[in-house]
Amino acid sequence: EVQLVESGGGLVQRGGSLRLSCVVSGFPFRTYWMNWVRQAPGKGLEWVANIKQDGSETYYVDSEKGRFTISRDNAKNSLYLQMNSLRAEDTAVYYCARGYGPKLGLDSWGQGTLVTVSS
Amino acid sequence: QSVLAQPPSASGTPGQRVTISCSGSSSNIGSNYVYWYQHLPGTAPKLLIYNNNQRPSGVPDRFSGSKSGTSASLAISGLRSEDEADYYCAAWDDSLSGRVFGGGTKLTVL
Repeated sequence: EVQLVESGGGLVQRGGSLRLSCVVSGFPFRTYWMNWVRQAPGKGLEWVANIKQDGSETYYVDSEKGRFTISRDNAKNSLYLQMNSLRAEDTAVYYCARGYGPKLGLDSWGQGTLVTVSS
Repeated sequence: QSVLAQPPSASGTPGQRVTISCSGSSSNIGSNYVYWYQHLPGTAPKLLIYNNNQRPSGVPDRFSGSKSGTSASLAISGLRSEDEADYYCAAWDDSLSGRVFGGGTKLTVL
């Protein structure tokens, strides 16, 4: 069974940092592109970033370039999102999701982890 | 404001057919595949349609997708109460070098 489990969310002060993790099982992690997608309270889904199978290629939503860093450890079947200089508008549920390519659909998602940035 | 435009809401009665539209541009829908996701609050989003009009295994054939030029649509026939959810279209945007989602459409089954 394909499973993606996010962790690392919580309450953080504005300007602080947080590192999210996503541990996967049930599929060959190293063969998939991986993504982070978020949903702010009362808002729609927003794609944040993705990363190639070997970590050699990454893409980010314009608003987060320079503040967020996506990475992966294929030996640990893990995906990460390092978030720095957090703002109130970063408050959201963050989902990890797998994809077949950078431009292709996301066919499996985790349940999400909530990040709350307090002012 | 989302790059892909969707109506914020849609509704129908059980058994009816409902269509949700998604409007984009030449840099996203016009040159890349369109995907549709179903999302119930508090749960993981689910891929409903991939590559414009393909259904993953397990998705009922009541759901269908289409694309024409820079627009796409999701049709749900034989509407059921369990179809009540938020629906999002998505595509890659070549100008932004990123994935873009529509603002989402909340479907209510009356």
